[in-house]
Amino acid sequence: SQTIHQWPATLVQPVGSPLSLECTVEGTSNPNLYWYRQAAGRGLQLLFYSVGIGQISSEVPQNLSASRPQDRQFILSSKKLLLSDSGFYLCAWSPAFFREGGTDTQYFGPGTRLTVL
Amino acid sequence: RKEVEQDPGPFNVPEGATVAFNCTYSNSASQSFFWYRQDCRKEPKLLMSVYSSGNEDGRFTAQLNRASQYISLLIRDSKLSDSATYLCVVNPANQGGKLIFGQGTELSVKP
Repeated sequence: SQTIHQWPATLVQPVGSPLSLECTVEGTSNPNLYWYRQAAGRGLQLLFYSVGIGQISSEVPQNLSASRPQDRQFILSSKKLLLSDSGFYLCAWSPAFFREGGTDTQYFGPGTRLTVL
Repeated sequence: RKEVEQDPGPFNVPEGATVAFNCTYSNSASQSFFWYRQDCRKEPKLLMSVYSSGNEDGRFTAQLNRASQYISLLIRDSKLSDSATYLCVVNPANQGGKLIFGQGTELSVKP
């Protein structure tokens, strides 16, 4: 069966510090990978998605970046955090065939709760 | 108009009540539909897919009306453990596997 891991679970960082959040998926190959942010009391905002190694699409302009150095590894980074970067960061995966409108869906990791002070 | 709109809630209901959530979507070419459940401070989890013919899973029934671009979720005999936020989710056509999430409807089931 497939599992998705994220770490760290919680993080408190000062404004202006760098960020690196990691997500890994087990039990599948060539998954689609996604980074979302959920601000307190708000809905899910898609930040990045990737259909393969080195292939990243950005959904919103911001001071965050994403990388996919390996098939099942997805990293979210920032060089300098802003207060507005606080939130709940969720990584998700879906099967590759989902790109073509398959009936499967996305599965979420446990998330990282980031507080920028 | 938002791509996916839900009743904002919160819905406060007693145990044993029947509660219904509604959702509308704007892209008529959307291909698949889901309900997710999100507990406080946790990740969203798939509750059920929504099929054209309607589908049921225990106390939960999902309905899809493509003509009206409308999705519903019915929960019968509510339990305290049903308290959560319910997200309506749509897979639009030709967007490479991206999902569109509604803002969610909060449900609180009281003793």
